[in-house]
Amino acid sequence: DAGITQSPRYKITETGRQVTLMCHQTWSHSYMFWYRQDLGHGLRLIYYSAAADITDKGEVPDGYVVSRSKTENFPLTLESATRSQTSVYFCASSGTANYGYTFGSGTRLTVV
Amino acid sequence: GQQVMQIPQYQHVQEGEDFTTYCNSSTTLSNIQWYKQRPGGHPVFLIQLVKSGEVKKQKRLTFQFGEAKKNSSLHITATQTTDVGTYFCAGPHAGNMLTFGGGTRLMVKP
Repeated sequence: DAGITQSPRYKITETGRQVTLMCHQTWSHSYMFWYRQDLGHGLRLIYYSAAADITDKGEVPDGYVVSRSKTENFPLTLESATRSQTSVYFCASSGTANYGYTFGSGTRLTVV
Repeated sequence: GQQVMQIPQYQHVQEGEDFTTYCNSSTTLSNIQWYKQRPGGHPVFLIQLVKSGEVKKQKRLTFQFGEAKKNSSLHITATQTTDVGTYFCAGPHAGNMLTFGGGTRLMVKP
């Protein structure tokens, strides 16, 4: 869907580097989410945000930082990337906490 | 740990055969949702079920929500190659955010 975009689509980074994944939505949805997808683990929630300046931890927050200064943007930062953070990252948004999430196209991150 | 379990993890079918995936939650859910992810794509919302025992249909897809609101199923009649992908169920858990099941990957042989 054109309404939620993630960048970059692909990223290779080295262990220990900081990397930021971007997410932008145009619907003014209140809720935004970051999930990671790994084989055997499905989709796991990293962080979510209920509104600008309100963020909270999900199931697997360690090693990640988020911010939401504007409703439309929800960047995810890996402060010091590790190989275990190699994954596909999906951003999602919704008008409510738990209905009909719309996902971005994902960022495939490889940490070498 | 994961609170929403799906079985099977993988399913190979011949085109035209039926397919069913099952979803079980450790707790009673206010609603259950289903998403489909095509290979290389992103999850796409299919449907939400809210009522105990609810059944909804979308063409060849039939979704059911269990009487106890702890389990759900998705049944596809006469699969087609366009049905290929991973099907996820999801329900609200801690913090009222969605917890996704591990998904069932459907492969269809033409």
